[in-house]
Amino acid sequence: NAGVTQTPKFRILKIGQSMTLQCTQDMNHNYMYWYRQDPGMGLKLIYYSVGAGITDKGEVPNGYNVSRSTTEDFPLRLELAAPSQTSVYFCASKEGGFSYEQYFGPGTRLTVT
Amino acid sequence: AQSVSQHNHHVILSEAASLELGCNYSYGGTVNLFWYVQYPGQHLQLLLKYFSGDPLVKGIKGFEAEFIKSKFSFNLRKPSVQWSDTAEYFCAAVLQTGANNLFFGTGTRLTVIP
Repeated sequence: NAGVTQTPKFRILKIGQSMTLQCTQDMNHNYMYWYRQDPGMGLKLIYYSVGAGITDKGEVPNGYNVSRSTTEDFPLRLELAAPSQTSVYFCASKEGGFSYEQYFGPGTRLTVT
Repeated sequence: AQSVSQHNHHVILSEAASLELGCNYSYGGTVNLFWYVQYPGQHLQLLLKYFSGDPLVKGIKGFEAEFIKSKFSFNLRKPSVQWSDTAEYFCAAVLQTGANNLFFGTGTRLTVIP
């Protein structure tokens, strides 16, 4: 199993540009998550999904969109990138609800200038 | 509001010193608790987890943590640190209610000096 994979690893965007961060898991997990990690702030939940076709907002959803058309993929879309979106983005997945651990991808480092 | 607190932002230790990193959570209900580690340039990896049962849980690489319900704490310990333990450590909690999302602390950076 590759686990959770993310592309790209690094990206520099100009203000106002858009992009999609890709996330794929091969563990047949129902739950998938997007987090952003800012220095000294820990990880904040952006969006999550409990299954294909079902998504919901986390703590910091503004400026982002997601979709979940398949179990494996959970892309994160940034429209009109802003400097405040400079961060490291992590995707994660888990098998079920309360009693399961999350598995994290390697992250995407995004800089918006 | 629900939260996870890690009060040590940066800890510097010499090799062979003992380690204890604090973690407190503010939920009143049933929680599962985790410690994740992030080595430089790498993604988060699970160190250990507490779901139920014995409040002293052992994880990988000689780490352990103790769940003390009365203190709402889940402190991470290691008797003797190594240079390779240099990393950032995150405590996290998931509630039994709601969407079962993880709430993370702000992290503690550990630097071990050889």
